[in-house]
Amino acid sequence: KQEVTQIPAALSVPEGENLVLNCSFTDSAIYNLQWFRQDPGKGLTSLLLIQSSQREQTSGRLNASLDKSSGRSTLYIAASQPGDSATYLCAVRPREYGNKLVFGAGTILRVKS
Amino acid sequence: DVKVTQSSRYLVKRTGEKVFLECVQDMDHENMFWYRQDPGLGLRLIYFSYDVKMKEKGDIPEGYSVSREKKERFSLILESASTNQTSMYLCASSFHGTGGASYTFGSGTRLTVV
Repeated sequence: KQEVTQIPAALSVPEGENLVLNCSFTDSAIYNLQWFRQDPGKGLTSLLLIQSSQREQTSGRLNASLDKSSGRSTLYIAASQPGDSATYLCAVRPREYGNKLVFGAGTILRVKS
Repeated sequence: DVKVTQSSRYLVKRTGEKVFLECVQDMDHENMFWYRQDPGLGLRLIYFSYDVKMKEKGDIPEGYSVSREKKERFSLILESASTNQTSMYLCASSFHGTGGASYTFGSGTRLTVV
């Protein structure tokens, strides 16, 4: 059964720092991996989608990498801002389950001004 | 701007009531999903649908049913609401098939059962 783990569970950094969020998964047979952002009490906003054949995706200050063989993904946030404060979730789409996603528990990020 | 719309942001219902949570998407997606999110438990899949009138149970279907009469609309039904169904409910949609479909989520419905 696919399991997704995110480390750290919470992170607090000063504004301007570059930071890395980690996601690991137990089964490398996936279609893709997706990073989401969730603000308190709100829904999920998709940040980046990495196909299983890709190594990384970039959007603005965000860069996500995927190493499928080792079951790892990282989300790199450059020059963090207070507006980046949110919970970040990663989710994989396992080949075993077709169209379903398996989520990690998330990393709560706080960027202090 | 494409979107998934959940009809209510906040709902308060009484124990035993029948509750309907509505979700509409405008992206012509085949797949639609209902998740619930609880502190410490993360997101758990309740039901999903890959076509009109088709549905499959997710990981925690007990106490819930769903309806998909039209492609764009997916309803979650709590037949007799209980306090342990107090939660954040999230609807999502995606294209069907293998490969790299991205998932789009709604804003969520915070349901409180008293």
